[in-house]
Amino acid sequence: SAVISQKPSRDICQRGTSLTIQCQVDSQVTMMFWYRQQPGQSLTLIATANQGSEATYESGFVIDKFPISRPNLTFSTLTVSNLSPEDSSIYLCSVDGQSYEQYFGPGTRLTVT
Amino acid sequence: DQQVKQNSPSLSVQEGRISILNCDYTNSMFDYFLWYKKYPAEGPTFLISISSIKDKNEDGRFTVFLNKSAKHLSLHIVPSQPGDSAVYFCAASAGTGGFKTIFGAGTRLFVKA
Repeated sequence: SAVISQKPSRDICQRGTSLTIQCQVDSQVTMMFWYRQQPGQSLTLIATANQGSEATYESGFVIDKFPISRPNLTFSTLTVSNLSPEDSSIYLCSVDGQSYEQYFGPGTRLTVT
Repeated sequence: DQQVKQNSPSLSVQEGRISILNCDYTNSMFDYFLWYKKYPAEGPTFLISISSIKDKNEDGRFTVFLNKSAKHLSLHIVPSQPGDSAVYFCAASAGTGGFKTIFGAGTRLFVKA
C-alpha cells in the first residue's frame, strides 16, 4: 500500500485568490489523481497527472482553473485558481493500488469566503 | 448523469446487528466494484471489492453481493460495531486505472452501542 500526505489539511481563502495543494507519496508512481468532493456529493475526478507530461483533465475541469504540476514520481500539486465560494470542497489526491483499488491522501478542506 | 447511485444518505444500526448498504449502477461496461470507508478528516480507504464475474465476495465481517441483472450491489457488515461508523462509498470501474472509476455519493453509517 502507499502512504500519501497532503498539505495543507485545511484552509480558508478569500474569493479571487488561489490555493496550492501539495501531495506527497512514499513510493514512485506513474499516475496521480486529483479529486474534488463537494458537500454531500460523490468524489469527482478532476485530472490525472503523469510525470513528464501534461495532466489530463476530465470534462468540466480546465487547466486555467486547476493547474497541476508533476515534477517527479512522488509529488504533485493542484492549484485552485480565482477562488469562488463554489470551490469550497474537499480536495483529495490518490494513486493506483495493485489491482483496481486506489489509495487516497487525507484530503484538503477548502473554504472560500 | 449519475452512473453510480447510493440512494440512502444515512443508515442507523444497533451494535451487533447487520448493516446493509446498497448501491445501483447504470453502465454495463463496469467490470469491477469496490467499497471504500471514510472517517472524518481522513481520505477514503479501500474496504472490499468484487469482480463482475462473481456474485459474492467475503472478507471477515464484510461481504459484498453483486446482482448484475439488476445492476445492484450491496455491502453487508455482520456484526456491526461502533467503529464501523463512517461514510461508505460505492465505486465502479471499467478497467484498471483510477481515471476509470466512478464513485457514488456515499452512505453515512451510524452504529449505536
